[in-house]
Order: sequence, then structure tokens, then C-alpha cells
Amino acid sequence: AQSVTQLGSHVSVSEGALVLLRCNYSSSVPPYLFWYVQYPNQGLQLLLKYTTGATLVKGINGFEAEFKKSETSFHLTKPSAHMSDAAEYFCAVSDFGTGANNLFFGTGTRLTVIP
Amino acid sequence: DTAVSQTPKYLVTQMGNDKSIKCEQNLGHDTMYWYKQDSKKFLKIMFSYNNKELIINETVPNRFSPKSPDKAHLNLHINSLELGDSAVYFCASSQDRMNTEAFFGQGTRLTVV
Repeated sequence: AQSVTQLGSHVSVSEGALVLLRCNYSSSVPPYLFWYVQYPNQGLQLLLKYTTGATLVKGINGFEAEFKKSETSFHLTKPSAHMSDAAEYFCAVSDFGTGANNLFFGTGTRLTVIP
Repeated sequence: DTAVSQTPKYLVTQMGNDKSIKCEQNLGHDTMYWYKQDSKKFLKIMFSYNNKELIINETVPNRFSPKSPDKAHLNLHINSLELGDSAVYFCASSQDRMNTEAFFGQGTRLTVV
């Protein structure tokens, strides 16, 4: 079974500081990993994904994440936080074991950016 | 042009009522999904449809019945609404069942009183 754990339900950073949102996964098969962002009262938007190949993946808005199999982690980073980054971030895993891209989400991390 | 659109955006109803949420995607995708987000923001898959056929049905009460009249639409019918059904329901689609990118609608906030 697939599952995701996001450490820290709330993270606060100063504008311009490093953003680090943690995600650990559990999967019985090679996982596909995703980060989604949710702005208030909006749907989810894909930030980036890892399927195969290069373990460091770059996404939109300057975010990137690194797949570390040995640590079963897929942490999300951004070198310099911007006020517009304030949102809810969800890590998700999918294995297509059910024959579709059913995403199993973590409980989310709310990012606050302090001016 | 909204890629995945849901209606209504907000729905307030009394316990015991029957309601529907509609979802349409104009992306030409084959696969559509329903997710439920509870009050703690936890998201969980409910159903997956591929070309109008159900391919996954997670542990969901049978009061919830998805219906796909064509591959661009996946509606969610809920019978005998309960307080615990209050949540935000998200529709999503992907190009096909093996495609890794899912596009989400803006959600329908259902409140049962």
C-alpha cells in the first residue's frame, strides 16, 4: 500500500529564505511522486513530479524536489521564498497498481511567508 | 476556458437530501476522478473512471454513485446526505489511466446541516 507522510503541518519562512517542505513515502513498488500546491479556495495545481530518470526534478515557480530512494524521501525546496508562495502544499504518491493514476496524498503543509 | 469545471462551487443542504455535483473537462482526457478533502485538508481518492467505465472504487458508502454519461463528464450523486459528508469534493482528469499528470477542478464545498 502507498502512503505519504508530511512532517510539519505548518511551516513559516521569511521572504527570501530557503523553503524546505518534507515528504516521506511508503510504497511496495517503485513510486511515482508528486507535489501539488493549493491556493485558498482553489483546486490543486501540479508543481512537479518524479517518475523515472533524474532524481532531481524541477518544477514551476522555482521549486524543485529530489527523490532519495535510500531515505524514501521527496522533499520540496525553493532557494528564496516569495510572498506568492504562501499556500498549502501536498505530497502524493501513485503506483498505478490499481490501473490508474490514483494519488495518495499526505496531510498537507501550510506554508506562510513572513515579509 | 476552464479545463476541469465543477458545479456548483458551494452547496448547502439538509441531512437526508439527495444532491449531485457535476464535473466536465474540456481537455479530451480519457480518465476522470473524484477526490474528497475533509475538514483537516486530507485528500482521498473516491472513484476513477476511464472512458466512462469505473476502474476503481475506494471504500466509499454506496450512497455515493458516480455517473459518466460520456468521457468528458463525471457526475457525483449523493443520496441521504449525512453530516459527515461535509467536505470539499474535487474532480480531476488525466489524459489516460497511465498518465502521471492530473488536472483538478476548483472543488465543490458541500455543507450538510
